[in-house]
Amino acid sequence: GQQVMQIPQYQHVQEGEDFTTYCNSSTTLSNIQWYKQRPGGHPVFLIQLVKSGEVKKQKRLTFQFGEAKKNSSLHITATQTTDVGTYFCAGPLEGSQGNLIFGKGTKLSVKP
Amino acid sequence: GAVVSQHPSRVICKSGTSVKIECRSLDFQATTMFWYRQFPKQSLMLMATSNEGSKATYEQGVEKDKFLINHASLTLSTLTVTSAHPEDSSFYICSARAPGLAGGVTGELFFGEGSRLTVL
Repeated sequence: GQQVMQIPQYQHVQEGEDFTTYCNSSTTLSNIQWYKQRPGGHPVFLIQLVKSGEVKKQKRLTFQFGEAKKNSSLHITATQTTDVGTYFCAGPLEGSQGNLIFGKGTKLSVKP
Repeated sequence: GAVVSQHPSRVICKSGTSVKIECRSLDFQATTMFWYRQFPKQSLMLMATSNEGSKATYEQGVEKDKFLINHASLTLSTLTVTSAHPEDSSFYICSARAPGLAGGVTGELFFGEGSRLTVL
């Protein structure tokens, strides 16, 4: 069945270091979304990418959608302690009523 | 952005009792809401899709008689965990998609704050 895979599962970095999480889909996606879940919190939408090869930036965060629309990445430059949390990618679930299939997430911890 | 509110945020109950969790869209109408379950350090697992005015669609492996879903209005969906057992202890989260927000992104899901259920 349809799968969305995300690596790494965990990432520990020193504050100021960069961080990247990668997302790979078993199928071509019409769009990909990224969410952030802080410890003890709920997922919060970060961004949606739609176009092949699209790159979007939000301050220190850079999101990229692959040319084949099957992979994506989130890169954080110069991490801060406020970046701590789990980052999930998600794509439309085939045959669903607008639901998403989520990757397992990458949990980022930042050491001050 | 759109707001989805979930209540209660935490609930502790005895084994065998039933627990109701409410999910409300505060500033938009949601014909469809989604219920997820999240175990510690794991991803979101879709349990069911709640449809206003009709029966919910359950994912494979989710017992519809145990997890009762009612979507009685365009702003409220409820999940009732019936005869709860310790293995039902988990973080339950609802979400909804706000349609046609002017100037906003279509397709994003707005999540409730989640409800942490502990069954003793």
